[in-house]
Amino acid sequence: EAAVTQSPRNKVAVTGGKVTLSCNQTNNHNNMYWYRQDTGHGLRLIHYSYGAGSTEKGDIPDGYKASRPSQENFSLILELATPSQTSVYFCASGDAGGREETLYFGSGTRLTVL
Amino acid sequence: GEKVEQHQSTLSVREGDSAVINCTYTDTASSYFPWYKQEAGKSLHFVIDIRSNVDRKQSQRLTVLLDKKAKRFSLHITATQPEDSAIYFCAASGNTGYQNFYFGKGTSLTVIP
Repeated sequence: EAAVTQSPRNKVAVTGGKVTLSCNQTNNHNNMYWYRQDTGHGLRLIHYSYGAGSTEKGDIPDGYKASRPSQENFSLILELATPSQTSVYFCASGDAGGREETLYFGSGTRLTVL
Repeated sequence: GEKVEQHQSTLSVREGDSAVINCTYTDTASSYFPWYKQEAGKSLHFVIDIRSNVDRKQSQRLTVLLDKKAKRFSLHITATQPEDSAIYFCAASGNTGYQNFYFGKGTSLTVIP
């Protein structure tokens, strides 16, 4: 079964600090995504990747960077965390090209920025 | 860009009854509509989808209906069971040139035993 693992599960950070959220997938999927989930907003795409070495901006990339050093790993980086980035972050991998792929989600990371 | 509205934030039904969750979308170019389920404290997982070349798709107790003219789609769950209790997210494929789904805000379904 597809497996997407996120770490940490919970994170408390201070304003202005650097935060790195990690994601590992064992599905050998090319596509990986970072979403944030906020009450009243559903899931919104931050960054995505088509494969190792590629990162692309999603709908709300401001304040975030991404890194895809390998097929398996995709990180989300907050260089200067702000309280508005308090949210639940989900990583996902996709099993096919095109807009009809099924997404496999990790368990989420709850980030609180104080 | 695409906007997906999920009109019910919460829905309660009695066990054995049917549940219907409704969504609308704005982009006529959207052609793929998946549904995801998030159980309490867990992540999201895919449950069913429908493509724009059909107007109905059934998988066991789940049925998705698509009305392209009204830009509306719905998830029907029959013979509900307590394990159906979860947050259900509808989504629509965008037309932004990259792979993205636009998700609704989610409907929290409670099945009362």
